[in-house]
Amino acid sequence: GDSVTQTEGPVTLSEGTSLTVNCSYETKQYPTLFWYVQYPGEGPQLLFKVPKANEKGSNRGFEATYNKEATSFHLQKASVQESDSAVYYCALSDQGGSNAKLTFGKGTKLSVKS
Amino acid sequence: AQTIHQWPVAEIKAVGSPLSLGCTIKGKSSPNLYWYWQATGGTLQQLFYSITVGQVESVVQLNLSASRPKDDQFILSTEKLLLSHSGFYLCAWSLWDSEVFFGKGTRLTVV
Repeated sequence: GDSVTQTEGPVTLSEGTSLTVNCSYETKQYPTLFWYVQYPGEGPQLLFKVPKANEKGSNRGFEATYNKEATSFHLQKASVQESDSAVYYCALSDQGGSNAKLTFGKGTKLSVKS
Repeated sequence: AQTIHQWPVAEIKAVGSPLSLGCTIKGKSSPNLYWYWQATGGTLQQLFYSITVGQVESVVQLNLSASRPKDDQFILSTEKLLLSHSGFYLCAWSLWDSEVFFGKGTRLTVV
């Protein structure tokens, strides 16, 4: 079956420093890749998605490139803010159509200190 | 704009008692609907999906059932709760072949 492996947390950074959360995946299909962010007590929110290999997705200063050869989709941000503190999930969907079933990684908890 | 409302926000229930959780999606016609479960501190796992009224497919067997009585409503239930049912239940929707949007979730504690 499909699987997603991402950086184990928690990750603690100071404001203004850079972030990289590694994500690698396994699937026999041609997936769409996602990054979701979850704040305490809330459901995950879509950060961005990338449906095609070698394309980049971005939102709110976060970005990730779909690397099909390396089966990776690492999340990066050049300068984190305290408000970026949350849990970040890498996910894939390869079923499309009737069931957009998402396979999630275990999540990476990010804490940003001022 | 589309909205997704889940109820209740939180529940504390006894082992062996029944459960009913619900969600309503407004602003989208005939969405695909999903139930996901998240153990405390854990990842998200899809439980059920539905593409139309009256039709629900089970993805994982957890002694839970789901129903879609109306186009905009999705219900998760069981007649007998287990301790292992504790966690965060998330309703979600998508349109055909598009990204998935989640509700704010229901926190369930089984004691």
